[in-house]
Amino acid sequence: GQQVMQIPQYQHVQEGEDFTTYCNSSTTLSNIQWYKQRPGGHPVFLIQLVKSGEVKKQKRLTFQFGEAKKNSSLHITATQTTDVGTYFCAVNYGGSQGNLIFGKGTKLSVKP
Amino acid sequence: EAQVTQNPRYLITVTGKKLTVTCSQNMNHEYMSWYRQDPGLGLRQIYYSMNVEVTDKGDVPEGYKVSRKEKRNFPLILESPSPNQTSLYFCASSLRASGRGNEQFFGPGTRLTVL
Repeated sequence: GQQVMQIPQYQHVQEGEDFTTYCNSSTTLSNIQWYKQRPGGHPVFLIQLVKSGEVKKQKRLTFQFGEAKKNSSLHITATQTTDVGTYFCAVNYGGSQGNLIFGKGTKLSVKP
Repeated sequence: EAQVTQNPRYLITVTGKKLTVTCSQNMNHEYMSWYRQDPGLGLRQIYYSMNVEVTDKGDVPEGYKVSRKEKRNFPLILESPSPNQTSLYFCASSLRASGRGNEQFFGPGTRLTVL
């Protein structure tokens, strides 16, 4: 089936450093969602991107959707220990709108 | 409080013993879905439902059944569990499957161990 590639799998940063995770698809996406899962918790919706080249910001988080709508990124500026967790992208591939495919996630650890 | 609830939260069972994990949402959402989460594999969709009496297979449906007789409930049934179904299971719901309102709300998870 369809897959969305998410990199890196792990990222260890010092508190205050920046962090970026990327999702890449071989086919054009209608939209992309981002979720965060804290250790021991459940995924929590962060944002949805729909338009080509779209950029959205939530405080220190910046989300981008590529011009060709085949890739997306989540960037965190000046990480804090509260940013620890796994970040997932999730996409629909055309045919079945209900079939949501998640990337494997990027696990972020932040050293104080 | 708007939420998705799952029961049980933890379950240890034996191979072949039928079990049901319940999922309920109180947000009048049309769309509901089940996922399993395994280390290194991320979240994989098992089944989803676009509305009452409408269900469809996700990416890993083998060994599972679902039903959607009421809008709020979407139980996951394992008729004959096997050890490879040991996993963390999440139920999720959203107002609709696509477009505005399709952000998913997840339940707290059910950790299942099949011996």
